[in-house]
Amino acid sequence: GAGVSQSPSNKVTEKGKDVELRCDPISGHTALYWYRQSLGQGLEFLIYFQGNSAPDKSGLPSDRFSAERTGGSVSTLTIQRTQQEDSAVYLCASSLISTGGVGGYTFGSGTRLTVV
Amino acid sequence: DQQVKQNSPSLSVQEGRISILNCDYTNSMFDYFLWYKKYPAEGPTFLISISSIKDKNEDGRFTVFLNKSAKHLSLHIVPSQPGDSAVYFCAATYKAAGNKLTFGGGTRVLVKP
Repeated sequence: GAGVSQSPSNKVTEKGKDVELRCDPISGHTALYWYRQSLGQGLEFLIYFQGNSAPDKSGLPSDRFSAERTGGSVSTLTIQRTQQEDSAVYLCASSLISTGGVGGYTFGSGTRLTVV
Repeated sequence: DQQVKQNSPSLSVQEGRISILNCDYTNSMFDYFLWYKKYPAEGPTFLISISSIKDKNEDGRFTVFLNKSAKHLSLHIVPSQPGDSAVYFCAATYKAAGNKLTFGGGTRVLVKP
């Protein structure tokens, strides 16, 4: 598609349940990122996929969080045993890594997760 | 440890006047800086960037200034328009970080007609 697509746009889940958030990046973009924005906060890095390299998972807040990127395209962020502090907007972005330097990301519209 | 800080959470400015948004960073490895704009219920969109080899980059009404010695950058919007009302995020990165961006907390700008 023309942009980064995320689904669902909104998700309400009960505490303790697992959730899966999906990101469909721009075709041909080699890099994919997950960030989250908690209420009133900035964007917090979660995980970064670049081509076939091992993902940079340094931002994942706990082992309840995991992410996959299948076939270098679609990515799924999974949160197990959700807690109320997981409530946030989860943003996915993709970019082309140019040899000349950093390219700007293209973000999706995000998934608003509410844990009740 | 916040490596990128935007100390003003909000800014109100009259239409036609200049908006100045500030951003400070602590990591001296950062060599590329970006500004993003975010409307409610939308993802952030890239606005303008600057490399550490420059001290100014201009794109239409938007200019970013970089002061490396002070580890400070600013975004100037002139003239400000009501459509500029949004949250603005400063971000920084360096090549070895794999283009991973570190974001500031954002500044909400309100442009009054």
